[in-house]
Amino acid sequence: GAVVSQHPSRVICKSGTSVKIECRSLDFQATTMFWYRQFPKKSLMLMATSNEGSKATYEQGVEKDKFLINHASLTLSTLTVTSAHPEDSSFYICSASESADTQYFGPGTRLTVL
Amino acid sequence: QKEVEQDPGPLSVPEGAIVSLNCTYSNSAFQYFMWYRQYSRKGPELLMYTYSSGNKEDGRFTAQVDKSSKYISLFIRDSQPSDSATYLCAMSVGANNLFFGTGTRLTVIP
Repeated sequence: GAVVSQHPSRVICKSGTSVKIECRSLDFQATTMFWYRQFPKKSLMLMATSNEGSKATYEQGVEKDKFLINHASLTLSTLTVTSAHPEDSSFYICSASESADTQYFGPGTRLTVL
Repeated sequence: QKEVEQDPGPLSVPEGAIVSLNCTYSNSAFQYFMWYRQYSRKGPELLMYTYSSGNKEDGRFTAQVDKSSKYISLFIRDSQPSDSATYLCAMSVGANNLFFGTGTRLTVIP
């Protein structure tokens, strides 16, 4: 149980384009979903927290107009990187939580912006 | 000072060795403590979860929390090559706002 999927697993795009990443909880309803990014040999950095049906809460320094988060249902959240630039290249990981206890992580999406 | 400190390693041990991984933290309000295992280019996988102080054992893995010293540990007994991964500690005040260590890269040599 507690499986979280992400799609796509890897994406390469040109600078200036927008990229959408999906995060799904496959066998449970996620009241809260989280989006992280991870640079090589660095820890996970929380970008934003989203609850189903409400606006996401962004961490300080994260541009909400650049990283659009939609949590339309209890099993799906999307992160759209708008007008991507090479510095946005990173490993993006989502996690989902059905209760107050633990987060279950997706496999991650590697974004490369050329 | 970072909220959570973790030695990044790398740590190499022979197969069968006991591995000790550690994190220290500064926020005495942390109540929930977790260890995640992350294989290369994959998302973190929850290994152990502990609420407040004490020990918890699950197979070859033992998690220890010492709140008085603000120190947590993960022990791996009879380590296997398949244990080779990056191990991340994480902790939180409420259960959802996690603070992660940088991760320790472990290699178990056959």
